[in-house]
Amino acid sequence: DAGITQSPRHKVTETGTPVTLRCHQTENHRYMYWYRQDPGHGLRLIHYSYGVKDTDKGEVSDGYSVSRSKTEDFLLTLESATSSQTSVYFCASSFRQGALSGANVLTFGAGSRLTVL
Amino acid sequence: KQEVTQIPAALSVPEGENLVLNCSFTDSAIYNLQWFRQDPGKGLTSLLLIQSSQREQTSGRLNASLDKSSGRSTLYIAASQPGDSATYLCAGNGDNDMRFGAGTRLTVKP
Repeated sequence: DAGITQSPRHKVTETGTPVTLRCHQTENHRYMYWYRQDPGHGLRLIHYSYGVKDTDKGEVSDGYSVSRSKTEDFLLTLESATSSQTSVYFCASSFRQGALSGANVLTFGAGSRLTVL
Repeated sequence: KQEVTQIPAALSVPEGENLVLNCSFTDSAIYNLQWFRQDPGKGLTSLLLIQSSQREQTSGRLNASLDKSSGRSTLYIAASQPGDSATYLCAGNGDNDMRFGAGTRLTVKP
């Protein structure tokens, strides 16, 4: 399938365990993003990537790390999950960012629902 | 820091009604503003993107406007249908990321 796929779609884990969420895109987009969505907060940016091995922090990056070894894959890792990280996580990608806005339409994955007990 | 606010948080209208969803942002230095639709348990689907040099964009029954000077955007939905029921989010695009509003949950009653 074209677009973005996220795995797993649902995960329940215990506090203190490591968790990795995977995002795979077939759009050949340069930019990829991880957001979390919580009631009343909309989507908040965790980390983003502007190329292979090039990443930067977003608004709520504490407790999260990312890696991008290939254009198509962007991994989000929770080294030691906490209950405050219970959320729905969305991956997105875009061709460009910022000023070159004409090609900045974001494509989203279907989301990964994570519950930390 | 960009702050994006959407009012109202929820809206319920009868089928056929025209409606307006509001989005306000604090930093006018945005490159574009984008409206998304989110169905329950799904990801976001882009509806309209308005570049900073534009005032509005139209797609079918949807019309989005942008007024950078006042920090406002509106999404107008004409002749609403039950299938329009969803959460609508706006997002302002800056240098490094897009800042999202919390969304307006729309219910169109048959």
